[in-house]
Formats: sequence, C-alpha cells, structure tokens
Amino acid sequence: DAGVTQSPTHLIKTRGQHVTLRCSPISGHKSVSWYQQVLGQGPQFIFQYYEKEERGRGNFPDRFSARQFPNYSSELNVNALLLGDSALYLCASSLDRPSHIANYGYTFGSGTRLTVV
Amino acid sequence: RKEVEQDPGPFNVPEGATVAFNCTYSNSASQSFFWYRQDCRKEPKLLMSVYSSGNEDGRFTAQLNRASQYISLLIRDSKLSDSATYLCVVNGISFNKFYFGSGTKLNVKP
Repeated sequence: DAGVTQSPTHLIKTRGQHVTLRCSPISGHKSVSWYQQVLGQGPQFIFQYYEKEERGRGNFPDRFSARQFPNYSSELNVNALLLGDSALYLCASSLDRPSHIANYGYTFGSGTRLTVV
Repeated sequence: RKEVEQDPGPFNVPEGATVAFNCTYSNSASQSFFWYRQDCRKEPKLLMSVYSSGNEDGRFTAQLNRASQYISLLIRDSKLSDSATYLCVVNGISFNKFYFGSGTKLNVKP
C-alpha cells in the first residue's frame, strides 16, 4: 500500500507568487491535515479536512487556504508568497476516528520543501 | 507560553548510554501524547504513543505525568542509529489539532 504521497517534493517560487501543494492520503484514510515546519522548529498545524469540510484551522493568515476532494486528496494553496513561507510543508493522514487518532497519531508524507526567493 | 516545550539539546552521548528527554505541555485537558522521530530533512515518523500507565517498546520507555503536565522518553543502550531529533506531540482541545514541540536533537557517538 502506498503511504501518504505529496507533490511536488521541491519547489522554488518568488515573492508574491502563488503555490499549490498536493497530498494523497493513505488508502481508506478520510482525513488530511497540513503542517508547516520551518527549519529548526517543530511542525505547526495549518488545517485539517475531513469529508471535504474544514475541521480545524491553525494560526495562519488568510493567504493560506486548502480544500479536500471527493477522493480525499487535498490541496494547500498559498497566495502572495513571502520569504517567511519557506518551509517544509507536511501532509498527515488519518482515519479520523477519535480513538484511532488517540492511539495511533498521524502518518506523514515526506513533504514539499518550498523555497521562496 | 508555547503549548509544548522541549529542551532543544543537542544531547551528545556515547553508544550504549541511557538518555532521557522531557517535554512539558500547557493544556491540562490534553488526552493524547506521542513521541515522533525525525531524521535530518525527512518527515516525522511515529515512534510511540504515550499511555497514562507508561509504556515500553524495546529500548524505549515513555512516561506521562498528568499532575505536572510532562511526558518523558527514555532510551536505553543507545545505538548510532538513534541519532535524530525527537519531537514531543500533544493533542489540543480536539483531536483535530496536534501541537509539536521544537524537538530535542540526539547525537549518539561511537
């Protein structure tokens, strides 16, 4: 079985541009969460989606948006890129049953490394 | 105050040593606790969940102290392959949001 897949793996953008990152969860997982990890820091929660609905949002500006599709894959969009948006963007997949998350946590994809110049 | 705080390290230990990491959390209502391991420029991978009664997985032992709001990870008989950053993870008010510490870096030397 494929794990969580993210694309692209690396990306270089210039300030002010827009970027779309993509994630496919583990087969059978209905929930996708997005995290941002800046170098030297732990991942920071951005969004969680389940059944195409936003279930949670972290402390990120409105330039960040996301959506989930009927096949449970997800996109993270970032507008008007800033230098500070340079980070590893991680997608996490789960069954989203509370008992499952409580016991097993999330499975992460290998991430998209975004560099804004 | 950050939701989860860890000593960043690095912890430099020789092979075979025992090393312990602590992590404190601010939300007393948190219910789920985990340790993740992250290798350089890789994604975090779940090392173990932390249960109220404490739990062990081979050389790794995790403990939870709800009264003092901290969790710990003990690694016995350290191996070179244990060198990584260890992230403490705590859920927020709902299971939809998890908070990560900044990580503790471990270097195991020959």
